[in-house]
Amino acid sequence: QKEVEQNSGPLSVPEGAIASLNCTYSDRGSQSFFWYRQYSGKSPELIMSIYSNGDKEDGRFTAQLNKASQYVSLLIRDSQPSDSATYLCAVSTGNQFYFGTGTSLTVIP
Amino acid sequence: DAMVIQNPRYQVTQFGKPVTLSCSQTLNHNVMYWYQQKSSQAPKLLFHYYDKDFNNEADTPDNFQSRRPNTSFCFLDIRSPGLGDAAMYLCATSRDNGGREQFFGPGTRLTVL
Repeated sequence: QKEVEQNSGPLSVPEGAIASLNCTYSDRGSQSFFWYRQYSGKSPELIMSIYSNGDKEDGRFTAQLNKASQYVSLLIRDSQPSDSATYLCAVSTGNQFYFGTGTSLTVIP
Repeated sequence: DAMVIQNPRYQVTQFGKPVTLSCSQTLNHNVMYWYQQKSSQAPKLLFHYYDKDFNNEADTPDNFQSRRPNTSFCFLDIRSPGLGDAAMYLCATSRDNGGREQFFGPGTRLTVL
C-alpha cells in the first residue's frame, strides 16, 4: 500500500466551477499535510499546508483534513484556466515526507 | 527575495559522462533535499542533509552522490549517467526535519544521450 494515494485523473471542470481534489494516506501518525501545484515542466509550488482537523481557507483554496478517516482534500473555488496543473498531495510523518503521484486538473474555458 | 536556485536549468550529458548539478538557498534553512522526478510520477527522494548530517535513502543508487560544503549550497553528482537517469532533478529546503513545509527550486532537466 502506498503511503499517499491520489486519483491521477484527469479531472476536468468548467471555468468558474469548484474543483475537488482528494488524497488518502496510510499512516495514522502523520502530522503535517501539504498541497503543491505543479505546472507541466515546472517544479512543485506549495499552495496550502494544514496540520489540524477541519478546514483552512486561503483565497480561492480550501484544504480539509480528517485524520480519523485519513484523508485530506483541496477545494478550488471559481476555477480558472490558470489553475490547470497537477496537484500533489504530500504527507509528513516524523522526519519522512511522502508525495502522492498527483491529480491532473484541467479547467475548461 | 529568499529563494532556492538551481543551476543549470537544463543539462545535456552523454551516457557515462559525469555531471554535477548545483543548488543554493538564501532561506537559511537547515535541511536540503534532492529529488528525482520522472514524467507523471511523484518526486522520489534521493538524499537529504540536516545541516551537515547526510541521509541517504536506502534505494538511491550508488551512482548518485551528494555534497553540502556549507549551509547555502548542495550538489548532486551523477558519476556515470545512464539513459534511465534522464529526469527532472529537484532541490528543496525546509527549516527543519519536523514536518515543515518544503520549498522547491525550479529544477534541472537532465537529458542523457
